[in-house]
Amino acid sequence: AQSVTQPDIHITVSEGASLELRCNYSYGATPYLFWYVQSPGQGLQLLLKYFSGDTLVQGIKGFEAEFKRSQSSFNLRKPSVHWSDAAEYFCAVVGDNDMRFGAGTRLTVKP
Amino acid sequence: DVKVTQSSRYLVKRTGEKVFLECVQDMDHENMFWYRQDPGLGLRLIYFSYDVKMKEKGDIPEGYSVSREKKERFSLILESASTNQTSMYLCASNRDRGDIQYFGAGTRLSVL
Repeated sequence: AQSVTQPDIHITVSEGASLELRCNYSYGATPYLFWYVQSPGQGLQLLLKYFSGDTLVQGIKGFEAEFKRSQSSFNLRKPSVHWSDAAEYFCAVVGDNDMRFGAGTRLTVKP
Repeated sequence: DVKVTQSSRYLVKRTGEKVFLECVQDMDHENMFWYRQDPGLGLRLIYFSYDVKMKEKGDIPEGYSVSREKKERFSLILESASTNQTSMYLCASNRDRGDIQYFGAGTRLSVL
């Protein structure tokens, strides 16, 4: 069965700084990969997904992620963080089984 | 616009009560899911359903059951609520297995 690890529980960045959130997956073949964002008190919203093809995926709100098979990673990036990006971010993987989520990374944005 | 609606945002129940959490989707999706979300643990799959009257256990089904009598509705049932079931519960749906899942806003359940 597939699994996903988000090594960082909490990250703090300054507004305007760049951001990278890490995601590592475990699966024998190429999985489907997703990043979701959850604002306080809300459900999850899809930021972007990778199914196949171009390994650099563009998403909403200026986010992008890069699939690296050699590193089993799918890290999320944003060149300049806005205060409204403060939220919890979840990486998810679909392999043999249905979607499995990482533990999440909480992002705090400093003014 | 895609919509998954959970009937309650907040619920407070007593230990031993039978609790129903309702979820409705308006997208004619085949598949529906129930997760619980706890700090540091992310989302864990409780049950899912690929079709009406079908259900499959997820990773943590103990203490829960589900019902799917109609395609658009998926209910999570806590037969006898316990304090360790205090959590955020999220419902989701999708059309095809492996496809994007669309989430409801969640139900925060407190069992006292």
